[in-house]
Amino acid sequence: ELKVEQNPLFLSMQEGKNYTIYCNYSTTSDRLYWYRQDPGKSLESLFVLLSNGAVKQEGRLMASLDTKARLSTLHITAAVHDLSATYFCAVDGNQFYFGTGTSLTVIP
Amino acid sequence: GAVVSQHPSRVICKSGTSVKIECRSLDFQATTMFWYRQFPKQSLMLMATSNEGSKATYEQGVEKDKFLINHASLTLSTLTVTSAHPEDSSFYICGGSRDSYNEQFFGPGTRLTVL
Repeated sequence: ELKVEQNPLFLSMQEGKNYTIYCNYSTTSDRLYWYRQDPGKSLESLFVLLSNGAVKQEGRLMASLDTKARLSTLHITAAVHDLSATYFCAVDGNQFYFGTGTSLTVIP
Repeated sequence: GAVVSQHPSRVICKSGTSVKIECRSLDFQATTMFWYRQFPKQSLMLMATSNEGSKATYEQGVEKDKFLINHASLTLSTLTVTSAHPEDSSFYICGGSRDSYNEQFFGPGTRLTVL
């Protein structure tokens, strides 16, 4: 079974700071997705990464994929309070395998 | 595009009753639909995968007789929780995929509370 681990599980950061969330997975896949979930809500698609070396950016978030290292990162630049949410990565290995999630709190 | 709806968004029922949750793809044909459950502060756990017109494939540990899945058309899948018990209380999310890239689009979720 494909395992997906996120690091850290909990992240508290000040507004204006930068940080990176890591997503490691255990078997070969070249399709990885990042989602945001607000409390009591479903998943909002952030990024779709479909090849090794893929990098995508939207606002203060940037995601990258290294399929050889089986690693994806979600980088947060100059965090703002509105980014507070739980972030999940998901790896496509015939089915979606979700990471453990990273609960992000941005403190004013 | 790629919008998925779920109904109801929230349901409270008594123990022993059955609850049906509908999942519809509104602007695309979902060849495959997925059902997940999520407990508070945990990740999503895949319950089953269904293809239109076929029997659902259940994940290990998920009781197929308790969680009945019907994928009657390319735009509708239903999950029926039969004889619900308090331990079935959870957040249920459906996902639909339409193409070979398998990107899933998720519904807004259904919060089930069994008293």
